Amino acid sequence: DTAVSQTPKYLVTQMGNDKSIKCEQNLGHDTMYWYKQDSKKFLKIMFSYNNKELIINETVPNRFSPKSPDKAHLNLHINSLELGDSAVYFCASSQSGLPGALHFGNGTRLTVT
Amino acid sequence: GEDVEQSLFLSVREGDSSVINCTYTDSSSTYLYWYKQEPGAGLQLLTYIFSNMDMKQDQRLTVLLNKKDKHLSLRIADTQTGDSAIYFCAESTSGTYKYIFGTGTRLKVLA
Repeated sequence: DTAVSQTPKYLVTQMGNDKSIKCEQNLGHDTMYWYKQDSKKFLKIMFSYNNKELIINETVPNRFSPKSPDKAHLNLHINSLELGDSAVYFCASSQSGLPGALHFGNGTRLTVT
Repeated sequence: GEDVEQSLFLSVREGDSSVINCTYTDSSSTYLYWYKQEPGAGLQLLTYIFSNMDMKQDQRLTVLLNKKDKHLSLRIADTQTGDSAIYFCAESTSGTYKYIFGTGTRLKVLA
């Protein structure tokens, strides 16, 4: 199946812990993204990588560190988790050029207790 | 900065048409998109329109774009209960890799 897949689907952890979310796409796209969706369903861009190079780095605490080992993978590591980090995190990918529509994974629901 | 606004809720009866509206502020937008999000799932691309087009039709979906007023709408004909979801509009500008999403409209279809 061609898709954007992310793991885990659910992540429940305590404040202060460090956790990672992994994302892989087999669509052959050259750009990958992390988006955060809060409880009101607002979607905000966090990071974007094009050909493994960081191109978008929005105002995100430096506890969040993305890593792109190759064009098909983009991981997100979060240090010292806080209650406010609870959200759904979506990975997405796109191909440079028009129309460049985003293709999303199914999300990782992170709950920090 | 760029902003994309949508009304939060829409309720329609099964078989009626639904119209979901969106306004945006960035006049350099190149593409405008409509996405559907069902519970527990990611966003699924429904359709998109290039900024120099006025209308695009794709089966039950009709997208209208008024570039002068920066207004985008999505019409769903013969709305079904399976269409109940959150609908997001989004805009992007060529070469920026930045997609700005609207606040989402929760569509509820009543049987």
